[in-house]
This record gives sequence, C-alpha cells and structure tokens, in this order.
Amino acid sequence: DTAVSQTPKYLVTQMGNDKSIKCEQNLGHDTMYWYKQDSKKFLKIMFSYNNKELIINETVPNRFSPKSPDKAHLNLHINSLELGDSAVYFCASSQTSTGIQETQYFGPGTRLLVL
Amino acid sequence: GESVGLHLPTLSVQEGDNSIINCAYSNSASDYFIWYKQESGKGPQFIIDIRSNMDKRQGQRVTVLLNKTVKHLSLQIAATQPGDSAVYFCAEKGASGTYKYIFGTGTRLKVLA
Repeated sequence: DTAVSQTPKYLVTQMGNDKSIKCEQNLGHDTMYWYKQDSKKFLKIMFSYNNKELIINETVPNRFSPKSPDKAHLNLHINSLELGDSAVYFCASSQTSTGIQETQYFGPGTRLLVL
Repeated sequence: GESVGLHLPTLSVQEGDNSIINCAYSNSASDYFIWYKQESGKGPQFIIDIRSNMDKRQGQRVTVLLNKTVKHLSLQIAATQPGDSAVYFCAEKGASGTYKYIFGTGTRLKVLA
C-alpha cells in the first residue's frame, strides 16, 4: 500500500564506494524528485524528472546521477562517495498537470552514512 | 532566494494550547504552498495546502494563513497534542509550469505535558 517507497532504508559504506538508492511510486504521478536533508534538517532539491525527462538539475556534483527507467521509478546512483554525502535522501512524487492537486508525497528516506 | 542551513528554531507549547508556526517565503510569484510535518525517522508528511488566490484554509485542527503582501505563511494547530511534536516545514512552488518546490528551514514543535 506504500505510496512512495525507497530502498534501502539505511546505507553504511566506505568512502570511495559507488552506491545506488531506488525509489518507486504507485500513485500514478508524472513527476519524481530527489532531495537531500542535512543534519540541520534543511531539505534541498537535487533532481526532478517529469515523464522520464530530467527537468530539474540543481548544483549537485556529477558524481550523482539520477535515472528514471519509467514514470514510476527514479533511482539515484552515487559514485566515489565522500564523507559530505552523509545525509538522508528523500524521494518524492507529484502530479503536475494543471488543475490537479500538486502536493508532493515523500518516501520514508534513505539514511546514508559514509565512513 | 533559497534558505541556507540555519539552526532549527524550536517552539515549545503546552499540551492543549494552540500553536502558531510561521514561515517567510521567498518568491512573490509562488502560487502554491504546502505545510509538511516530519516526525523523527520519517519522511515529510502533507498536512495542508493553500493556493495564492486564498488567504485562509482550514483542515482538521489546522489552519493555514497566507499573507501575500509580506510573503508570510502560518500554520495554526488547535489544541496541540503530544502527537503533534515534530518538525514542520513550509514549501512554496512557483507559478504554473514550475516543478521546483522550495522548502523553508523548518520549525521544531515540542509539546509539553
């Protein structure tokens, strides 16, 4: 029944490794997002895809690469992990068509710790 | 402009009292606003939203007020309960055609028994 799901929930890894986080939504939404939440709880958007097309690409190191195989999935791959990448990563989705509620729904988050 | 990471402000409220959480938004062209509640270890959860053509909207125990003149948004929680303890975020979205949501820095609400 989960609307927006992410895996894994926790990810502990060594510096320099490559890792992926997966996100799936079953709400039929056309837009998906990745956010990074730092230790001060600040939520910053990283990427957004609309119908599998990249529409938001904030100032994020190119070690981060999103991939959307279809409208319901948005994965995040991170190369050469650094200590500063430690954070909680949230996936979200929304329906952006005019006249339809545009609320974003968030996943439970992936807690990434880079050692 | 966008908010930068700041110390998370905290609001402490006695159980049963009303809470008011404030938010200053950045873009006068924003036309859609959302309040989220984030409990510890969970993702942000939708509480209530409002469009720029309204100045007030009520839900169950919550009211959102929008003052476009001063770019200010507030969330009022009536009869605050222990389960309301969380971090609350406001988010703004630009005019139609914009996909980007900008989040405020958040306010931690502590409900005192």
